[in-house]
Amino acid sequence: TQLLEQSPQFLSIQEGENLTVYCNSSSVFSSLQWYRQEPGEGPVLLVTVVTGGEVKKLKRLTFQFGDARKDSSLHITAAQPGDTGLYLCAADTNAGKSTFGDGTTLTVKP
Amino acid sequence: DTGVSQNPRHKITKRGQNVTFRCDPISEHNRLYWYRQTLGQGPEFLTYFQNEAQLEKSRLLSDRFSAERPKGSFSTLEIQRTEQGDSAMYLCASSYGTVRYFGPGTRLTVT
Repeated sequence: TQLLEQSPQFLSIQEGENLTVYCNSSSVFSSLQWYRQEPGEGPVLLVTVVTGGEVKKLKRLTFQFGDARKDSSLHITAAQPGDTGLYLCAADTNAGKSTFGDGTTLTVKP
Repeated sequence: DTGVSQNPRHKITKRGQNVTFRCDPISEHNRLYWYRQTLGQGPEFLTYFQNEAQLEKSRLLSDRFSAERPKGSFSTLEIQRTEQGDSAMYLCASSYGTVRYFGPGTRLTVT
């Protein structure tokens, strides 16, 4: 059983559309991270959310941490082809050890 | 600082051979992590070092796998008697606090 469930697994949209991807768990986390990964490269950290109910914005990306600190969402406004990639959420389960979801593969068509 | 580097970037080997990968973390990062990622999945935790001490080791890391960080700087991951199921991207990350910085990975193909 995956500790972090991400949905949808694949998403293909047109440039300019909005989208939301989700990261859900039955466990409570002290913090959760979102990464973006391009083919053949390592993940790059986008944001860390720590407080239940927290909302963080990074240009056209909005990240929200659930009130119970069990789930998170990533909303992209007016998606661009440069947003194409694999979006991963991750959480630390104990000191040093982290778990990742299987990601959402986003394709933004021009 | 140029970030986390990994060598080689690609490795093709025959089943049964041994392979070794190297990771050079960001300077002064005391923590170093190894992950494995297969197509369509997120990275899976393998092991973690704080300085030269290996503090966590996943059950995924069979006896054929060994990792070292002898001087608390670079790290090596060795796979002995490779199997086709070992084909994957091997990612290294380093951190000083909670933020992990990933390297570009080493893609291993076992034929």
